[in-house]
Amino acid sequence: GNSVTQMEGPVTLSEEAFLTINCTYTATGYPSLFWYVQYPGEGLQLLLKATKADDKGSNKGFEATYRKETTSFHLEKGSVQVSDSAVYFCALRNTGNQFYFGTGTSLTVIP
Amino acid sequence: EAGVTQFPSHSVIEKGQTVTLRCDPISGHDNLYWYRRVMGKEIKFLLHFVKESKQDESGMPNNRFLAERTGGTYSTLKVQPAELEDSGVYFCASSQPGTNQPQHFGDGTRLSIL
Repeated sequence: GNSVTQMEGPVTLSEEAFLTINCTYTATGYPSLFWYVQYPGEGLQLLLKATKADDKGSNKGFEATYRKETTSFHLEKGSVQVSDSAVYFCALRNTGNQFYFGTGTSLTVIP
Repeated sequence: EAGVTQFPSHSVIEKGQTVTLRCDPISGHDNLYWYRRVMGKEIKFLLHFVKESKQDESGMPNNRFLAERTGGTYSTLKVQPAELEDSGVYFCASSQPGTNQPQHFGDGTRLSIL
């Protein structure tokens, strides 16, 4: 079956710290992988995506690489800002266009 | 271009009552999806419409949930009667015709059952 497991939160970091949020997946076939972000009071927004193995998605300083050998899609950012405080969801989309999400990781960045 | 809009943003009802959530997709988006996030858990797929037809409703938890999309425009999700475990955030998403199109999400409706 299809499932996504992501790092439990909450995560609290100081501004300019390095961020890693782990995400691993189980899938049949060749899924596309995504990170979505939900800022306080807002809906889900696509942060980045990768559609095949070894692809790297990047946006707003965040990066994630589709690793087929480790079935992972870890989210990283070199220097977080207070404005990055949000809930981050890892997700996969299977060939049937159905999404499977992780439980979400809450990130708080303190000045 | 207006995004996916959901109404209401928050609903608080008592157990046993009925609630109807509404989703207006982006104009021209044939695909419409409903998801639910129960507190602290993953966002789970509920169902998928292509225009007015239910393409996949495998995620609907039970027959207390009824989704409709008459005319292939907006969709409603009715919960009747509501139970405590139905509390959570209900997200709607839409995408253009075809497969592998990006899904655009609404802000969600927070449903609280007392």
